[in-house]
Amino acid sequence: GAVVSQHPSWVICKSGTSVKIECRSLDFQATTMFWYRQFPKKSLMLMATSNEGSKATYEQGVEKDKFLINHASLTLSTLTVTSAHPEDSSFYICSASLGVLVKNIQYFGAGTRLSVL
Amino acid sequence: RKEVEQDPGPFNVPEGATVAFNCTYSNSASQSFFWYRQDCRKEPKLLMSVYSSGNEDGRFTAQLNRASQYISLLIRDSKLSDSATYLCVVNIRNTDKLIFGTGTRLQVFP
Repeated sequence: GAVVSQHPSWVICKSGTSVKIECRSLDFQATTMFWYRQFPKKSLMLMATSNEGSKATYEQGVEKDKFLINHASLTLSTLTVTSAHPEDSSFYICSASLGVLVKNIQYFGAGTRLSVL
Repeated sequence: RKEVEQDPGPFNVPEGATVAFNCTYSNSASQSFFWYRQDCRKEPKLLMSVYSSGNEDGRFTAQLNRASQYISLLIRDSKLSDSATYLCVVNIRNTDKLIFGTGTRLQVFP
């Protein structure tokens, strides 16, 4: 199946710093990528949908200035958590889609565990 | 009310048992349905798509009832390796968003 690479897998940072997470589709061009966060024992919550070459669409309640998304190419999307605080500690997962024509299947990265001290 | 609801479990079953999970969804514009599996601290992985006619993949059988907005997953002859959280996932028509349920945790014991 399609492979999505997410990096880093784990990051620990001090409060106030910014953290960038990369999501790459390795063997296909992803027209759309998604960013989720997941708290312990909770479901994945969609944060934003990113389309190559255009602005990301954020879900209600997600601060776009806090979570900067860039989708510069068909194989790379980045999420930057700006001025991270302890409450931003979570599991962030990206996924990539081939689009609505391909049964809406999303392929997930392995996730990034962010711990903000 | 959550868009996709599941019993969180855990379901603790012995090896070889048959176990069934249920899921209900509230958005009538839902058009595609999936079961994903998520192991602890890992990403979700697609287990199978779900069709109205019902579909089977080895020991796994999925069923969809559009009238009742209900999805099920049946696992036969449970293996220890089936222990995981099973996520019911719905796609809304004309979008490529996926809506996830909170998952049902399965623990298979020897």
